[in-house]
Amino acid sequence: KQEVTQIPAALSVPEGENLVLNCSFTDSAIYNLQWFRQDPGKGLTSLLLIQSSQREQTSGRLNASLDKSSGRSTLYIAASQPGDSATYLCAAKAAGNKLTFGGGTRVLVKP
Amino acid sequence: DTGVSQNPRHKITKRGQNVTFRCDPISEHNRLYWYRQTLGQGPEFLTYFQNEAQLEKSRLLSDRFSAERPKGSFSTLEIQRTEQGDSAMYLCASSFTGGESYGYTFGSGTRLTVV
Repeated sequence: KQEVTQIPAALSVPEGENLVLNCSFTDSAIYNLQWFRQDPGKGLTSLLLIQSSQREQTSGRLNASLDKSSGRSTLYIAASQPGDSATYLCAAKAAGNKLTFGGGTRVLVKP
Repeated sequence: DTGVSQNPRHKITKRGQNVTFRCDPISEHNRLYWYRQTLGQGPEFLTYFQNEAQLEKSRLLSDRFSAERPKGSFSTLEIQRTEQGDSAMYLCASSFTGGESYGYTFGSGTRLTVV
């Protein structure tokens, strides 16, 4: 059974600092890994999807890497802004086509 | 297409009442998923459909829960005899069938509060 873990559960940084968010998964037989952003009381917004055959994906200030052999993915957010404050969730898609989510990392970027 | 739409956004109900939520997926997507998220946790899988067929149900989906997707379009999730433990955000997502290339698109969710 796939288990996804995100550490730390919460992170606070000053504006301008780079953010590094970690995600680990136990079963490396994944199809892809998706990073989401969730604002309080809202749904999930997809940020990046990394296919199992890829090592990384980039979109603007966001970069996500994937290392299947070690069961890890990292989301980097460059030059953080107060608007980046949210909860970030990673989710692994495996056989059966279900997404298994981590518990999320709650990020606060202080002006 | 405006994405995945969920209604209502919020629902407050008394314990013991029945509630029904609706999800309209992206029209081109043939898969539809329901997830439940409690405060401070990641979403947990409940069930999914491919077209109108319900292919898998989680053990979290007790016999008080039922989901349908008539004609493979919108889906409804009904909870009968609601309990306070049912209070959560119910999220719907849709996707294409496939392996690594396709991700999920989520709706804004329905927040259920059972009082």
